[in-house]
Amino acid sequence: DTGVSQDPRHKITKRGQNVTFRCDPISEHNRLYWYRQTLGQGPEFLTYFQNEAQLEKSRLLSDRFSAERPKGSFSTLEIQRTEQGDSAMYLCASSAGTGGGNQPQHFGDGTRLSIL
Amino acid sequence: AQSVTQLGSHVSVSEGALVLLRCNYSSSVPPYLFWYVQYPNQGLQLLLKYTSAATLVKGINGFEAEFKKSETSFHLTKPSAHMSDAAEYFCAVTTSGSARQLTFGSGTQLTVLP
Repeated sequence: DTGVSQDPRHKITKRGQNVTFRCDPISEHNRLYWYRQTLGQGPEFLTYFQNEAQLEKSRLLSDRFSAERPKGSFSTLEIQRTEQGDSAMYLCASSAGTGGGNQPQHFGDGTRLSIL
Repeated sequence: AQSVTQLGSHVSVSEGALVLLRCNYSSSVPPYLFWYVQYPNQGLQLLLKYTSAATLVKGINGFEAEFKKSETSFHLTKPSAHMSDAAEYFCAVTTSGSARQLTFGSGTQLTVLP
């Protein structure tokens, strides 16, 4: 169990640029989640995959955001035409199970995005 | 819909003193409840979880929490604080319904004084 891995750890970009983040979940986990955390707040849910299927998306996920998990393993989160308000920590989590929500989610160390 | 309220955004205790971090939840169906800890510039680490078994849940690093349905609470305690406990703590809720996402509270920053 190598844990959830996120890359890059930090990303600085200019407003209007596109950015892409990668998440590698724990290998046997079939569920993958993306959250966004702003300073002084708890993480907020963005989207959820079970295997390769994206099953839920938050209203926070505007049409500038897109997430994929093409083979049910790693996932990418892309933000197009970044805005100042996109500055945040983007956290990925994974969990096992196909039933209810009682399997704990294991988090990566996040990607901190700063928009200049 | 579900929600979490963490009373006290900052809590300070002396080393060796009792730690009590408060969490109240709102859920229309039986909840699953979690406590996570976050150190600076890191992700969240699971401390403990309640999933409808025993109401008193023991976690890592000497932490425990008690689920009280009548009070809709899931407070986190530790008998004796250690300097290494200084971090931000988040309470989170989810349910067995179709939603899988965790809903987090706004966090409590714990400071441990020498």
